[in-house]
Amino acid sequence: DGGITQSPKYLFRKEGQNVTLSCEQNLNHDAMYWYRQDPGQGLRLIYYSQIVNDFQKGDIAEGYSVSREKKESFPLTVTSAQKNPTAFYLCASSPSGIRADTQYFGPGTRLTVL
Amino acid sequence: SQKIEQNSEALNIQEGKTATLTCNYTNYSPAYLQWYRQDPGRGPVFLLLIRENEKEKRKERLKVTFDTTLKQSLFHITASQPADSATYLCAPPANAGNMLTFGGGTRLMVKP
Repeated sequence: DGGITQSPKYLFRKEGQNVTLSCEQNLNHDAMYWYRQDPGQGLRLIYYSQIVNDFQKGDIAEGYSVSREKKESFPLTVTSAQKNPTAFYLCASSPSGIRADTQYFGPGTRLTVL
Repeated sequence: SQKIEQNSEALNIQEGKTATLTCNYTNYSPAYLQWYRQDPGRGPVFLLLIRENEKEKRKERLKVTFDTTLKQSLFHITASQPADSATYLCAPPANAGNMLTFGGGTRLMVKP
């Protein structure tokens, strides 16, 4: 079954702690993305990667970090520097990193900071 | 800077009627535009892509139009069903770079 998976589905974190969200795809896509969605709002781009070992900041990268060591994996770390991390986080992939292709989304991770 | 606008108010319609959702963009001219469906608590799912040289695109009960003069795309669902209830997002490519930009989405509620 091809697709994109995110884990965990729900995540709780205490203030001041870093937490890492997992994103894996077996679609052989070059590009991967992380978005944040707040209630009633659209998707905001955090980071994206067009190729292994390379990534770029999106519109709201402050307080987040990523890595792309393997084509199929693009984990996101929410650091303690992120002032308001409670949100729904979506990972996506697309076939090409050289044009704005159709994106395939994972099921999302809902992060709550206690 | 580029701006994507969708009606933030929910659209409530009766089953069987046609739903029409609007996506307006300003300050640039995208070569194409995509529409996605998002159910609560889930990731968006791609529905349709329409290019600037296509006036209309259809897929089953879905129809998308793209008016580059008005800088607007319309998304229609004919013979709507309660199962069509979801949030619909429009997504043109960014003005620069290789990524999509997403509108805030419009929530559609189809009542039986």
